[in-house]
Amino acid sequence: AQSVTQPDIHITVSEGASLELRCNYSYGATPYLFWYVQSPGQGLQLLLKYFSGDTLVQGIKGFEAEFKRSQSSFNLRKPSVHWSDAAEYFCAVGADTGFQKLVFGTGTRLLVSP
Amino acid sequence: EAGVTQFPSHSVIEKGQTVTLRCDPISGHDNLYWYRRVMGKEIKFLLHFVKESKQDESGMPNNRFLAERTGGTYSTLKVQPAELEDSGVYFCASRETGFGPDTQYFGPGTRLTVL
Repeated sequence: AQSVTQPDIHITVSEGASLELRCNYSYGATPYLFWYVQSPGQGLQLLLKYFSGDTLVQGIKGFEAEFKRSQSSFNLRKPSVHWSDAAEYFCAVGADTGFQKLVFGTGTRLLVSP
Repeated sequence: EAGVTQFPSHSVIEKGQTVTLRCDPISGHDNLYWYRRVMGKEIKFLLHFVKESKQDESGMPNNRFLAERTGGTYSTLKVQPAELEDSGVYFCASRETGFGPDTQYFGPGTRLTVL
């Protein structure tokens, strides 16, 4: 069965510092991988996705993620964090067959300090 | 283009009462999903519609939950009778294509509190 692990429940980063959020997945075949963000009072917004091809994926708001099959990881990065990035971030994996229901991690809450 | 909308945004009910949540997907999206996040835990899949048909309802917790999508447009999720453990945030998502990789677009969620 598919599973996603986000080992960090909370992370605090200073504004302007770099950020890396970890995501490890378990899936036997080719995964489809997603990062979503939920800002306070908002729905889940897609940051980026990986389906195939280049393993370094660029997303919105200056985020990127790298798919590493050997490590079963899809970590999210941003070189310089802004206060508006404070939110909860979810990694998800979808099956490459069927209608692709998503399996989510437990989320990482990002706090940005001045 | 309007996104996925959900109503209400919040609902507070007593144990034993009935609540109906509504989701309007993006126009033209045949695939509609319901997910739920219980406090502190992961977002979990509940069920999936293709047009008006239930494609996969393996995540529905029990028979107190009833989902419908009459006419293949909006969907409702009814909880009857509600229990304390039903509290959480209920998300709806829609997707245009069928098989294969594609993005699911999520609504803002309905926060359900059962007292």
